[in-house]
Amino acid sequence: GQQVQQSPSSLVLQEGENAELQCNFSSTATQLQWFYQSPGGSLVSLLSNPSGTKHTGRLTSTTVTKERRSSLHISSSQTTDSGTYLCAIHRKAGNYKYVFGAGTRLKVIA
Amino acid sequence: EAAVTQSPRNKVTVTGGNVTLSCRQTNSHNYMYWYRQDTGHGLRLIHYSYGAGNLQIGDVPDGYKATRTTQEDFFLLLELASPSQTSLYFCASSVGGQDTQYFGPGTRLLVL
Repeated sequence: GQQVQQSPSSLVLQEGENAELQCNFSSTATQLQWFYQSPGGSLVSLLSNPSGTKHTGRLTSTTVTKERRSSLHISSSQTTDSGTYLCAIHRKAGNYKYVFGAGTRLKVIA
Repeated sequence: EAAVTQSPRNKVTVTGGNVTLSCRQTNSHNYMYWYRQDTGHGLRLIHYSYGAGNLQIGDVPDGYKATRTTQEDFFLLLELASPSQTSLYFCASSVGGQDTQYFGPGTRLLVL
């Protein structure tokens, strides 16, 4: 089965609203990263958060390792936040490979 | 910030054709990766390497070869391209296996 599941698959917000993205994974993860993919396709790492809570700018990620889930909270969304958000885990067992979820497509409208 | 470049950015070939995708990183990262991205699947790892001359098999290696000629350069080879290999291909690099991965801009490949 799919090792990394993200929800929702898509989300539409009005500018200024907050977004909550979820990532659930079936394997024990030694590392977890959130990525942003722009509408043009470019990929950038947003933050790494294997456990606990991390903040960067308007982003907050909370990972509960024992429950195999992570969330990404985007506060005061802006139209430039539109794009796809990908969650990736590095599995405890196995080689140096990340497994990616299918992503959450976010659209923020003015 | 790590710099990862890919060439070509777009490629069209025919079934049975021979394609080489190139990736270069200039920050002396040890690990390099090739992924493909298809709608509904996210990114799937094809091959990766942890140093010049090294090659590791990823999750979807069938139909692909790869070669890491130097610390900087990682190539993906499709020797008999098929329409199922039409995809968006990303190269990435990282210092270590669990470290942040830096992605190239992607190569769009269309196999007719």
